[in-house]
Parts: sequence; structure tokens; C-alpha cells
Amino acid sequence: DTAVSQTPKYLVTQMGNDKSIKCEQNLGHDTMYWYKQDSKKFLKIMFSYNNKELIINETVPNRFSPKSPDKAHLNLHINSLELGDSAVYFCASSHSFPNTGELFFGEGSRLTVL
Amino acid sequence: AQSVTQLDSQVPVFEEAPVELRCNYSSSVSVYLFWYVQYPNQGLQLLLKYLSGSTLVKSINGFEAEFNKSQTSFHLRKPSVHISDTAEYFCAVSGLTYGGATNKLIFGTGTLLAVQP
Repeated sequence: DTAVSQTPKYLVTQMGNDKSIKCEQNLGHDTMYWYKQDSKKFLKIMFSYNNKELIINETVPNRFSPKSPDKAHLNLHINSLELGDSAVYFCASSHSFPNTGELFFGEGSRLTVL
Repeated sequence: AQSVTQLDSQVPVFEEAPVELRCNYSSSVSVYLFWYVQYPNQGLQLLLKYLSGSTLVKSINGFEAEFNKSQTSFHLRKPSVHISDTAEYFCAVSGLTYGGATNKLIFGTGTLLAVQP
């Protein structure tokens, strides 16, 4: 059973389009995250939700909108895609209590904007 | 705020040789420290972590890391590497607040361990 699963694994799309990535975790965690990994492998946090509430929102363009329908799901919608959005997007989850800081990651969704 | 520095972007090493991947961190508060490994085209997997207690922590596949507070370091070592250890290794830090770690894991830029036969 996959603990943190993301779909789709690959997206190839044109500039200006809108796309969504879905994430689900079956670990019973109450906190979920989106991280962006760029072409140089640098990982940067984008958003974090705790029990469906947004708790971390890094400096991310408004074109990115996360949505958490329940604590096991965190989706990412991106409007008006730009070339610079090409990256691998990782979903992750963790416990908030006790909070050891340990994250469990999905396998990533590779977005290519042409 | 916390930051992590991994000075070596790539470390080539021959199979069965020892290796050390360096990690230094900066933080104004106490921290938890982690090493994650990313195999090609895969997500990140936790390799080992330091939360408290013994400063030397070990993984099940022979890696170990030592928390050195005075040098603000958490270097990763393995006495004898295998081809299968070839991967990207990320050091990460989470600052502590009252009640535990913050919900923000800060990663270093990664070190590619390239094991050659």
C-alpha cells in the first residue's frame, strides 16, 4: 500500500494552461505539504496544511492554489502555467503531535511546461 | 530561521571505499536534523534522524551521522559504499518550538554520491 500517493506522475502541457496535481496519504497524518524541486534538485516548501487549514504559505505566486478537502488529501492547482513552473512537485505528510519534523514523501509529479 | 549548507554538490567514490557527506546548519533555536536519500526518479526517503539523546545515529543500511552542536554539523558517513548507494543525499533541519518541531523542514542543496566500480 502506497503511503503518500500523487497523481499524475508526469504532466506535459503548454504555457498558459491550467493543471492540477492530487495527493492522498493513508498514514493517518494530519499535516500535509507541497514542496517544489527545481532542475538543480533544490527543494523548497510551498504550502503546508494542518487539518485542512493553511499554516504555511511561502512566497508562491497566486497562480498556485492548494486545496485540502480533508486531512488525508491535499491538491495543487496551477493556473496560467509558465516555463518556470517546470519542476518536480512533491507531496509530503507528517504528524503534528508529537511533531518530530519527519516528513513522508510521495514519488513526485514531474511537470514540464512547453 | 534555519539554513542548511551542503558544500559538496557531488562526491565520486569507488565501491567499498569510505565516504563522508558534509552538512552544516545554522539556527537560533534547537533543532532536529535529518538525512534523506533520493534514488533516481523517486521521492525522498528518510535515511536517519537526530532528535535527542545519543549524538551518533545509525541507519539500517550502514550509514551513520553524528550531531556536533559546537560545530553545527551533522555529517553523514559510511565505512564501505556499494554501487546501490548511488543517489542524491539531502540534509535537512527543523527548528524546535514549544511543543515540538516547526512544520517547516529546510533542506540543503543535496550531494550526489556517485559510486564507481
